[in-house]
Amino acid sequence: GENVEQHPSTLSVQEGDSAVIKCTYSDSASNYFPWYKQELGKRPQLIIDIRSNVGEKKDQRIAVTLNKTAKHFSLHITETQPEDSAVYFCAASWGGGNKLTFGTGTQLKVEL
Amino acid sequence: KAGVTQTPRYLIKTRGQQVTLSCSPISGHRSVSWYQQTPGQGLQFLFEYFSETQRNKGNFPGRFSGRQFSNSRSEMNVSTLELGDSALYLCASSLEGSGNTGELFFGEGSRLTVL
Repeated sequence: GENVEQHPSTLSVQEGDSAVIKCTYSDSASNYFPWYKQELGKRPQLIIDIRSNVGEKKDQRIAVTLNKTAKHFSLHITETQPEDSAVYFCAASWGGGNKLTFGTGTQLKVEL
Repeated sequence: KAGVTQTPRYLIKTRGQQVTLSCSPISGHRSVSWYQQTPGQGLQFLFEYFSETQRNKGNFPGRFSGRQFSNSRSEMNVSTLELGDSALYLCASSLEGSGNTGELFFGEGSRLTVL
């Protein structure tokens, strides 16, 4: 089955700096790669996603890149703000329904 | 539009008991998935239901089961509870039903503690 590895497990940055979280996946059939943000005590929420026919996608301060050959994808957050502090999960799916395999999460802390 | 609703929000059980958790998806969403969230393992997929049929299944023992009703509401059941079943159980619904994977809308979860 699919396996998703996520690094780093914790990340601390200064406000205004950029943050990068990386994930690798094992199943070359995977074609959908979302990122979810979970604030403390709250439900996970989708922040951005990318499908395998696209190499990069951007939404304001957030961008995701995908390298299908190397089977890895990354989340980039620019100009970080304190409200970006949360746990971020990457995930992968090969389709055939809404089954996601999640990475183990990255605790991002944005310090003032 | 109301979000995904899960009940109960908190519950405490003892080993050997069974538990049933309920999930009401967003109106119009026919896909309902269940995930187990623990500090060490992150989010682990349990199963997905679409139009009352189990469409996908994760790698959990048979003690974990689920079902979906004609109104898309879903329940999951865990029998013969073990200490390791203590976790936050998240339900998620999705509008996507064509077979592609779509955005998941999560509920707030049911936190199960097994003593």
